[in-house]
Amino acid sequence: RKEVEQDPGPFNVPEGATVAFNCTYSNSASQSFFWYRQDCRKEPKLLMSVYSSGNEDGRFTAQLNRASQYISLLIRDSKLSDSATYLCVVSTGTASKLTFGTGTRLQVTL
Amino acid sequence: DADVTQTPRNRITKTGKRIMLECSQTKGHDRMYWYRQDPGLGLQLIYYSFDVKDINKGEISDGYSVSRQAQAKFSLSLESAIPNQTALYFCATGDRRNTGELFFGEGSRLTVL
Repeated sequence: RKEVEQDPGPFNVPEGATVAFNCTYSNSASQSFFWYRQDCRKEPKLLMSVYSSGNEDGRFTAQLNRASQYISLLIRDSKLSDSATYLCVVSTGTASKLTFGTGTRLQVTL
Repeated sequence: DADVTQTPRNRITKTGKRIMLECSQTKGHDRMYWYRQDPGLGLQLIYYSFDVKDINKGEISDGYSVSRQAQAKFSLSLESAIPNQTALYFCATGDRRNTGELFFGEGSRLTVL
C-alpha cells in the first residue's frame, strides 16, 4: 500500500463548479499535511497547509480527518486557472521528510 | 532570477555515462533535497541534506550519489546512467523553521538512451 494515495483523475469540471479531492495516508504517526499544486511541466508549489480544525484560504478549504487518515481539498467557484495537478503531501517522523502523493489532475473548462 | 536553479534543464545521454545535475539556491535555506518524478509514481526522494556535513539517503538512493559543496549548492550524480533513470529531477530547499514548505527548482529532464 502506498503511503499516500490519491485518485489520479482527471476531474473535468466547468467553470464555477465546486470540486473536492480526497487523499488517504497509511502512517498513523504522520504529523503534518499539505496540499501542493503542480502545473503541467512545472515545479510543485505549496498551496496550503492542512490543520486539524480545517482551514480555508479564499476559495480553497482543506480538512483533515485523523481517525480515518484522510485529507481533503475543496475548491469552490473553479477558475480556468485552477487547472493543475494537486499533490497531497504528508510529513512523518523526526526528519520531517515529505511524502508526496501521485497527484489528482483537475481540468476546468468553459 | 529563480531562487532555486537547476542545471542542466534538459539532458540526453547514453547508458553508462556519468551525469551530474547541479542545484544552487539563493534562499539561504539549510535543507536541500533531490527528488525524481515519474508518471504515475509521484515525487520520490533520492537524497536530502540538512546542512553541509549532513547527507541522508532517501527512498531510492541506489545508483545515485550527492555532494553538498556549500550551503547553497547540492549536486546529484549518476555514476553510470541506465535507461530507468530517465525521469524529471527536482531539487528543493527548505527552512528548518517551516518544514512543510519546500521550494523547488524548475526541474532537470534527463533521458538515458
